[in-house]
Amino acid sequence: DTEVTQTPKHLVMGMTNKKSLKCEQHMGHRAMYWYKQKAKKPPELMFVYSYEKLSINESVPSRFSPECPNSSLLNLHLHALQPEDSALYLCASSQGRERAYEQYFGPGTRLTVT
Amino acid sequence: LAKTTQPISMDSYEGQEVNITCSHNNIATNDYITWYQQFPSQGPRFIIQGYKTKVTNEVASLFIPADRKSSTLSLPRVSLSDTAVYYCLVAANNNDMRFGAGTRLTVKP
Repeated sequence: DTEVTQTPKHLVMGMTNKKSLKCEQHMGHRAMYWYKQKAKKPPELMFVYSYEKLSINESVPSRFSPECPNSSLLNLHLHALQPEDSALYLCASSQGRERAYEQYFGPGTRLTVT
Repeated sequence: LAKTTQPISMDSYEGQEVNITCSHNNIATNDYITWYQQFPSQGPRFIIQGYKTKVTNEVASLFIPADRKSSTLSLPRVSLSDTAVYYCLVAANNNDMRFGAGTRLTVKP
């Protein structure tokens, strides 16, 4: 199984809502990532988890809160978002972060903040 | 962190070989060169990775000169389904995976 799954596929939320994005992989990968991608722009790295510990936070606003409950799951909790946070949120996993291993990406969650 | 420079866009025709060059003048000794492909509204997909010389797999070849300051992704006999954005990344580890602007390849019939 070389698949990374993300739910939901689409999400519309108001600025006062709290929602969560979920990501799952069963490849035994020990590193997982969140990226944000705006239209016609490259993916931007947000967070990196390695062995279930947060190793990188790319100065992401606190309204985005990542969580890694176990080695297969990665969540992104959203609260009080702004319309400019509307984007495609991509999850990825890799064998590790110690060297530049191949990353497997999920299909993404299309988020719209109204 | 090494930065990359790629052409913004390229056009090709079905059946042709396409070569996309990426410049990375500040590449470090421990950096690997990785290429990803992305279709609209999908996550990027790994194509190929190399450190030096030439790497070939079932979908592409990667040519890296001795100074490693550039690399060329070669796609043999492209088809319409190869229309996508191609990203070149240079990183020593997965903490450094910063995507550059990418090259938008359009394959015409």
